[in-house]
Amino acid sequence: SYVLTQPPSVSVAPGQTARITCGGNNIGSKSVHWYKQKPGQAPVLAIYYDSDRPSGIPERFSGSNSGNTATLTISRVEAGDEADYYCQVWDSSSDHVIFGGGTKLTVL
Amino acid sequence: EVQLLESGGGLVQPGGSLRVSCAASGFTFSHYGMSWVRQAPGKGLEWVSGISGSGARTYYADSVKGRFTISRDNSKNTLYLQMNSLRAEDTAVYYCVDSGSYWEFDYWGQGSLVTVSS
Repeated sequence: SYVLTQPPSVSVAPGQTARITCGGNNIGSKSVHWYKQKPGQAPVLAIYYDSDRPSGIPERFSGSNSGNTATLTISRVEAGDEADYYCQVWDSSSDHVIFGGGTKLTVL
Repeated sequence: EVQLLESGGGLVQPGGSLRVSCAASGFTFSHYGMSWVRQAPGKGLEWVSGISGSGARTYYADSVKGRFTISRDNSKNTLYLQMNSLRAEDTAVYYCVDSGSYWEFDYWGQGSLVTVSS
């Protein structure tokens, strides 16, 4: 079955740029979605269709997807960005939704 | 305003059954696919099941296939998940989510906790 691989943790200082990767076999051929989840809260859609932002998500959040890696980029990181981030795709070969294991973003 | 409100969670013994429901409002329910996503304590997100807007097509994760049944009543704007033969590893918060064209999950309920324990 299709597997998405994320780093367990990423740390970044305030004001710097955080990049969270999501690896998968030929993931560039799929639409990737990203979710942000703070402790005790439901996840929130942060990026969809690789790089589109829902209303209410700051422009500092962006996404890209090519080859075997999709990337969520958060520019000018703020303390409020500290959360768990998950990537997700639809795998048409198995008719399954696949989530990555999640990445904990720590703002130093 | 879109609202998804889950109910029906609780404590159930291993091997038991439980049905969780999700009342939807603020959008044309029958036009959208829906899914259930769960999160075990301290763990990541796991997709459980999905259903098309009409209810004609259903999809299941391998971990629940044959034990769980997803359904919907478009006249009541309600999504269901019937869970049978429950196991300890099914313990999780179950979220009701709407599914977009590429299975993006725009809106999430607050979640319903299901605990499987003797």
